[in-house]
Amino acid sequence: DAKTTQPPSMDCAEGRAANLPCNHSTISGNEYVYWYRQIHSQGPQYIIHGLKNNETNEMASLIITEDRKSSTLILPHATLRDTAVYYCIVRVGGQAGTALIFGKGTTLSVSS
Amino acid sequence: GAVVSQHPSRVICKSGTSVKIECRSLDFQATTMFWYRQFPKQSLMLMATSNEGSKATYEQGVEKDKFLINHASLTLSTLTVTSAHPEDSSFYICSARLDSTDTQYFGPGTRLTVL
Repeated sequence: DAKTTQPPSMDCAEGRAANLPCNHSTISGNEYVYWYRQIHSQGPQYIIHGLKNNETNEMASLIITEDRKSSTLILPHATLRDTAVYYCIVRVGGQAGTALIFGKGTTLSVSS
Repeated sequence: GAVVSQHPSRVICKSGTSVKIECRSLDFQATTMFWYRQFPKQSLMLMATSNEGSKATYEQGVEKDKFLINHASLTLSTLTVTSAHPEDSSFYICSARLDSTDTQYFGPGTRLTVL
């Protein structure tokens, strides 16, 4: 799987939008971008994933650049409960036996 | 939907004993499940891929005779840590793949402490 690069940490004020960047310059055409987050001492939580179009769900929006070499996860109104480690992962789609490989992620700290 | 449970959530055992951890997909069937391990302040490390009805595939450096994986049904995979030692103390997390969306959902994790 292609590697991703994320900033190690970010801060965000409560109520503001949190924009988490991810670089995946070597992504292949059949690789999807997945975002998960892990709150301390819990299992990772699925947030969103996409191939090339922008995606939005009740948790977040995913913006993928046209060349697919980078993406941004947007939490529109961050709350204290959004404090977590956020992982951006690229993975070949449609292959059951292909696991998610986790990097170091971005630690997002939301403060009041 | 897409809920995965693990049992137990926390276990303490003596060195040399074996511990079984269960991973269940509660509202979907999963032909493929995965087991991860996470040490303090580190990221998740993939241990093995578990396929229903067949042998697990282990990552390099993971001892298959020490970490026994059984995926006997479409909703249950088990990880047994045999002859546990203090260095096996870790946070063990499973995930199950929802085939319809090709998305993995994770359990809450099991904290293993070996004394």
